[in-house]
Amino acid sequence: QQQVKQSPQSLIVQKGGISIINCAYENTAFDYFPWYQQFPGKGPALLIAIRPDVSEKKEGRFTISFNKSAKQFSLHIMDSQPGDSATYFCAASQYSGGGADGLTFGKGTHLIIQP
Amino acid sequence: ETGVTQTPRHLVMGMTNKKSLKCEQHLGHNAMYWYKQSAKKPLELMFVYNFKEQTENNSVPSRFSPECPNSSHLFLHLHTLQPEDSALYLCASSQDRRASWVGYTFGSGTRLTVV
Repeated sequence: QQQVKQSPQSLIVQKGGISIINCAYENTAFDYFPWYQQFPGKGPALLIAIRPDVSEKKEGRFTISFNKSAKQFSLHIMDSQPGDSATYFCAASQYSGGGADGLTFGKGTHLIIQP
Repeated sequence: ETGVTQTPRHLVMGMTNKKSLKCEQHLGHNAMYWYKQSAKKPLELMFVYNFKEQTENNSVPSRFSPECPNSSHLFLHLHTLQPEDSALYLCASSQDRRASWVGYTFGSGTRLTVV
C-alpha cells in the first residue's frame, strides 16, 4: 500500500528557530512531493513542492530537502514565526503519469512557534 | 476564500438520516476530489472525478455516494452513516487529475458529526 510516513506528530519551536519536519515514502514511482499548510478551520494550502531531479528547493524561509536514495524528504522553516503555527502535511504522487490519481498524504505535524 | 466553496460548514446527522455535502469551484479546474480528514490519521482520498468521470474510488463504503453533475460541482451523498464516519470532509480541485505545480485547491471542509 502506498504510504507516506511523517514525523514528528507535534513540534514546538522557539521564535526565530528552525522547524524541521521529516517524511519518508515507499513507492519509488512517486515523483512529486508537495507540502501543505493547514490553519484551524481551513483546508490545506500548497506551500512548496519538489521533484526528485533536484535535492533542494527554497522559497523564502521554506526549504525542501530531498534524498532520493533514502526515499526521504523534509521541510525546513527558517526563522520560524508565530504565524507559522499550523499543521503541515507532506504528500506524494506520480506527476508524470501512471498509477493512481490523487495525492497520498502523511499524518501531519502540528507545529507551534512560541513567541 | 480559496475558490472552492463547501456547504454546509457543519453537519450533525443521525445514523438513519440522509444528507448531502456540496462542493463548488469556479476556477476552471477539471478534476475534483473528496478527502476525509480524521484526527491523527492521514488525509484519506475517497473519490476522484476528472472531466465529470469518476476515476478513483478508494474502497469507500457504499453509504458514501458521490455525484459530479458538471466540472464545477461535486456532491457527497450520505446515508446510514456510522459514528466512526464523523470527520472533516474536504473537497479539492485541480487543473487535471495529475498533480501540478499549482497543486490542489482545497475548500474549508464540512465538519460532520454522526450521532
